[in-house]
Amino acid sequence: DARVTQTPRDKVTEMGQEVTMRCQPILGHNTVFWYRQTMMQGLELLAYFRNRAPLDDSGMPKDRFSAEMPDATLATLKIQPSEPRDSAVYFCASGLGGPNTGELFFGEGSRLTVL
Amino acid sequence: AQSVTQLGSHVSVSEGALVLLRCNYSSSVPPYLFWYVQYPNQGLQLLLKYTSAATLVKGINGFEAEFKKSETSFHLTKPSAHMSDAAEYFCAVRGVNNNDMRFGAGTRLTVKP
Repeated sequence: DARVTQTPRDKVTEMGQEVTMRCQPILGHNTVFWYRQTMMQGLELLAYFRNRAPLDDSGMPKDRFSAEMPDATLATLKIQPSEPRDSAVYFCASGLGGPNTGELFFGEGSRLTVL
Repeated sequence: AQSVTQLGSHVSVSEGALVLLRCNYSSSVPPYLFWYVQYPNQGLQLLLKYTSAATLVKGINGFEAEFKKSETSFHLTKPSAHMSDAAEYFCAVRGVNNNDMRFGAGTRLTVKP
C-alpha cells in the first residue's frame, strides 16, 4: 500500500529550538510539496521539488525555514529557530510530474506546537 | 497565477439532502482541478480530478463535479448526503504545466440527522 510517510506525527518544542520534519514520498514520485495548515491561513504552499531540485520556495520564511531533498526517498523541512507562530500542521505530498496526472498524495501530517 | 475560491466556509445539510459545494477558479487557460476531502486529524484524500477529458467527473463516495469553462466553476455535488460525509472539503488548481498546486480556503460540511 503506497503512501507518503511523515515523521514525527506530533512534536512539542520550546521557542528557539530546531525542528526537523521528514517525509518519505511514494516510490517513483518525482514531485514533493510541503504545505502548512492553520485555522487562520488554511493550506499554504511552502515549497516544492521536482526530481529533487527546488522549483519554488517563495512561500517559506527564508530566515528560519529550509527544505531539502537529500535523496529521492527523503524530503526534510527544518525550522531554526522555531517560534510560537510556527505552530501548525505541516503536510508533505508527492506526485508525478507530467501531463494527465497532476494529483498529489498527502501524508498524515506533522503537528508542531511551539511553546 | 492560478487560484481557486470556495464560496461558503460552512455548509450544513440534512442527511439524504443534496450536497453542493462551490468552487470557482481563476486561470488563463483551463487548468487541472481537484477536490480533496480531509477528515479530522488526517491528511487530504483525493475525491476526484478534472484533467481536460470529460467535463463531468465522477469520484469516490458518490461525489461528482462538473467543469464549466463559461462559468469558471468546478462545483462538487452529491445527490444524497450521508453522515460519514461530514468533513472539510478543499478545491485545488494546478497549471497544465504541472507546477504548484493551490488550494481554496476549504468548506466544512456538516450533516444533520
